[in-house]
Amino acid sequence: DQQVKQNSPSLSVQEGRISILNCDYTNSMFDYFLWYKKYPAEGPTFLISISSIKDKNEDGRFTVFLNKSAKHLSLHIVPSQPGDSAVYFCAASASGTYKYIFGTGTRLKVLA
Amino acid sequence: DTAVSQTPKYLVTQMGNDKSIKCEQNLGHDTMYWYKQDSKKFLKIMFSYNNKELIINETVPNRFSPKSPDKAHLNLHINSLELGDSAVYFCASSPGGGQLQSFGPGTRLLVL
Repeated sequence: DQQVKQNSPSLSVQEGRISILNCDYTNSMFDYFLWYKKYPAEGPTFLISISSIKDKNEDGRFTVFLNKSAKHLSLHIVPSQPGDSAVYFCAASASGTYKYIFGTGTRLKVLA
Repeated sequence: DTAVSQTPKYLVTQMGNDKSIKCEQNLGHDTMYWYKQDSKKFLKIMFSYNNKELIINETVPNRFSPKSPDKAHLNLHINSLELGDSAVYFCASSPGGGQLQSFGPGTRLLVL
């Protein structure tokens, strides 16, 4: 049973436009969410996080939105750049569990 | 300086062999993890150690045995390798359990 789902395996966006990556979860106990970015042959690197007490967190070109009632989060990248081309994973954690559950990733390709 | 390092980066071996993957972190973190990313790209936690003590042990065959000689190292030993063990294994560390994780570059294991 996959508790964290990224239903779009891939996404292509033109340079300069907005990229929107989506993530859905089923466990209502999750209260902390992360986005990681992964380049080929490298480990995932942390991008941005959000706690369940917020509905939005922004860091430069990256914004994460959380809709708790829909159990849905999204990552917006504006403007998208070719260097953003990577696989993006969302991950969720419930307090006290000491672990993150990862989605299967969305491969973003930003076209120059 | 690499924060989380893994050796080897690539490992090709025959079924039935025993192999080890090493992980070291120089971030001063207390918690370390092993994840497996299979062919479907699921990134699943296998084990977690906090200050050399096992705190997470997911449903993993007992052919897999983690060992933490000190809090900067977490090694993974795999006995009697099977074809299904072929995957990318990522080591990660965090300041404490459930906190933001830094990942190593991954070890690509291929069992023939």
